Amino acid sequence: EAGVAQSPRYKIIEKRQSVAFWCNPISGHATLYWYQQILGQGPKLLIQFQNNGVVDDSQLPKDRFSAERLKGVDSTLKIQPAKLEDSAVYLCASRKGLAGVSTSYEQYFGPGTRLTVT
Amino acid sequence: GQNIDQPTEMTATEGAIVQINCTYQTSGFNGLFWYQQHAGEAPTFLSYNVLDGLEEKGRFSSFLSRSKGYSYLLLKELQMKDSASYLCAVGDSWGKFQFGAGTQVVVTP
Repeated sequence: EAGVAQSPRYKIIEKRQSVAFWCNPISGHATLYWYQQILGQGPKLLIQFQNNGVVDDSQLPKDRFSAERLKGVDSTLKIQPAKLEDSAVYLCASRKGLAGVSTSYEQYFGPGTRLTVT
Repeated sequence: GQNIDQPTEMTATEGAIVQINCTYQTSGFNGLFWYQQHAGEAPTFLSYNVLDGLEEKGRFSSFLSRSKGYSYLLLKELQMKDSASYLCAVGDSWGKFQFGAGTQVVVTP
């Protein structure tokens, strides 16, 4: 079974530029998550999708971050404009279970995109 | 919301046992997960507890006490490859995870 795929693996941009990350979850996984992990910290949830709907985006800085999962499969996360403090690893994860129905399933993580904003 | 605490770093020698504690305060608990994360890599799932007690998986065991808001991960017969960050995560009824900051385990020869 193929794992969660993400691209690019690394990205360096200047502040005020825009950037987009792509994620393809494990086949059949309805729930998809985007996390931000700053060095030395645990992953922080940015947004949770179930199929193509948003379950939770309470911690997404909506003035500069946006995410979509139009067909309920792959997803993109965009930052526009980027700030220095956005430098982090952006992790995508997927989970088999449906939110609110089944909760015993673990999340599977992709390799992440390391973003450096200069 | 959730508040999750775990030690920042622990050091142990090869072949020893290390116990990583995790305490949490939560408004909606539905499972405690442990992940291992090697430097520069994605977190990988280790264990899951939803009921009180001990779950054993080879060299790794995890314990949960819901009344105390407490879990631990026990790593036995430590190997050099176990040097990594160990993340405690609390799941809610919507499958949302709140992660702790991680405990860096350093295994020395």
